[in-house]
Amino acid sequence: TQLLEQSPQFLSIQEGENLTVYCNSSSVFSSLQWYRQEPGEGPVLLVTVVTGGEVKKLKRLTFQFGDARKDSSLHITAAQPGDTGLYLCAGVPGTYKYIFGTGTRLKVLA
Amino acid sequence: DSGVTQTPKHLITATGQRVTLRCSPRSGDLSVYWYQQSLDQGLQFLIQYYNGEERAKGNILERFSAQQFPDLHSELNLSSLELGDSALYFCASSVEGVAGVGGTDTQYFGPGTRLTVL
Repeated sequence: TQLLEQSPQFLSIQEGENLTVYCNSSSVFSSLQWYRQEPGEGPVLLVTVVTGGEVKKLKRLTFQFGDARKDSSLHITAAQPGDTGLYLCAGVPGTYKYIFGTGTRLKVLA
Repeated sequence: DSGVTQTPKHLITATGQRVTLRCSPRSGDLSVYWYQQSLDQGLQFLIQYYNGEERAKGNILERFSAQQFPDLHSELNLSSLELGDSALYFCASSVEGVAGVGGTDTQYFGPGTRLTVL
């Protein structure tokens, strides 16, 4: 069974701090995605990374795909209360199946 | 608003019953995906349809079934409901049905249906 483990599971930080969320697997994925989900809503796609070692930036968010395409990280610089939410990574093992990570619940305090 | 609609928003029913969840994809999207999200299992991929045909199957129980109709809306049928089936059920849609593969196709999620089995 392919699993995506995210860490930390919960994170509560002050506004302005930096943080990194990790998504790890023992399996190789053809691509990996990051989503953010807010209460009462469905997940919203933030980014898709496809190439091993790829780094993508979205304003204060930086996403990296591991060289071996087994892991990924999400770094947020100068977190803001609007960044609060559930962050999910999702891997595509190349067979039209979608494996979602265990999730990281982030709370940014003003 | 993602453009994906799901009805009903909330559903409360009893064990042993059968329910139908409905999803209308974004205009122009040919593929529909169903997911179950529970506190202990996280977000689990159930099944995907593309233009009326089943494309991929995930961890979907035999008590559950789905279909996509000619107008592209989809229904997820859950039968012989158990307490453990209580969860949020999400539908997502994408244009090409290859969301995440190669990075060009995107899944847009609906607001979900919250199912409570008593």
